[in-house]
Parts: sequence; structure tokens; C-alpha cells
Amino acid sequence: GAVVSQHPSWVICKSGTSVKIECRSLDFQATTMFWYRQFPKQSLMLMATSNEGSKATYEQGVEKDKFLINHASLTLSTLTVTSAHPEDSSFYICSADPPRRWSSYEQYFGPGTRLTVT
Amino acid sequence: DQQVKQNSPSLSVQEGRISILNCDYTNSMFDYFLWYKKYPAEGPTFLISISSIKDKNEDGRFTVFLNKSAKHLSLHIVPSQPGDSAVYFCAASAQGGSEKLVFGKGTKLTVNP
Repeated sequence: GAVVSQHPSWVICKSGTSVKIECRSLDFQATTMFWYRQFPKQSLMLMATSNEGSKATYEQGVEKDKFLINHASLTLSTLTVTSAHPEDSSFYICSADPPRRWSSYEQYFGPGTRLTVT
Repeated sequence: DQQVKQNSPSLSVQEGRISILNCDYTNSMFDYFLWYKKYPAEGPTFLISISSIKDKNEDGRFTVFLNKSAKHLSLHIVPSQPGDSAVYFCAASAQGGSEKLVFGKGTKLTVNP
């Protein structure tokens, strides 16, 4: 089956610093990856759609200058939280779209990254 | 405006019985629906999906029912097992599934031995 990995699985950083989270599709190429965040007892909220070789598409209310997304290859997308603040503490999850030839539309999710900003 | 609603935050059932998780949606453009299962501190894993051209899809112990007129879908798990205990998310998409997924808030299922 399709495997998506994320690194790191958890990170603690100080307020004002930047943190980079990596999302990799291990056994398939993904032209599109997605970044979500989840607050406790809340739904998965789509932050942005990451397209290989082009700019990410951000959802309304998500600061593109704060959450930098780079999709430099067909297997790697990165999310950088810049100048992190305690309110950015959350669970960040990425997902990847499988090739359409698989005839399915489910996204494959990474295991998530717990970010804590102190 | 919450387009996908899971009104029951939690559900508890006995092992061996049926678990029924419900989901309602408001956007009539949604035509592809998915259920994901999520354990704490892990990413969601895909369970089962259904296209709007169908009203039922089965995969082993899992069956998803879709009532388009009521904009309602449900996930049935029979028989329920303790390992099914997790948070279940309903998700919907438009354009046959090629549009972004919109998730409900999830229902925490607890299956008691």
C-alpha cells in the first residue's frame, strides 16, 4: 500500500523560531500533497494544497507568509512554520494524492507531527 | 459553515454488536464520500468510500450507506471489535473525488470487550 512519512514526529521549539516539517511519499509519486492541522477534538482543517513545481494554494485564513510550503519534488513537500508562536502549537498532518491510474480518490496520510511552541 | 457534520462526538458499543456512525452534509456538489479511521497521534487511514452513483458499498465488516436525498451517509461496522476503537472521520469531495476533502469533526468509537 501507499506509504507517506513525516519528519519529525514531534518537535518542541521556542517562540520566534522556525520549524520545518517534511512530508514524503515513499512508494509513489505525488504531484499534489495537502497540509492539514488538527486541534484537540476538532476536525482536520485543510491549510494548503501543495503542487509540485508551482506555488501552493492556501485556504482562506491561512497566512502564506507564516506557513511556507515547498513541493520541490514528486515525493517531498515541506511545511515551514516561521516565527512560531504558542498558538501555532498543533498536530500537523500531510497527505498525498495517489496517481489517478490507481482509480481511487482516497488521500494517503502521514503519521502527523506534533508541534509545541513554548 | 460546517459542510460535513458528525453530530455524535462519541459512541460506545459492545464487542460483537453493530456500530453505526452517521454523517450529514450540506453541499449538494459533494459526490464522493470517504471514511477514515484515526488513532491518537497518528494520521488517518482510509477505510471505505462511496460514489454518489451508488447507495451502498461493502468491504468486509464495513458498509457505507448513502442517502443522497437526505444528504446523509452512515458507516456500519459488523461485528464490532475492540481494535475498532478509534476516531472515525467522514469526508466529502466534489468533482468525483478530485476536489479537496472536507472533513467532519469525527466520532470517537469505543468498543467494549
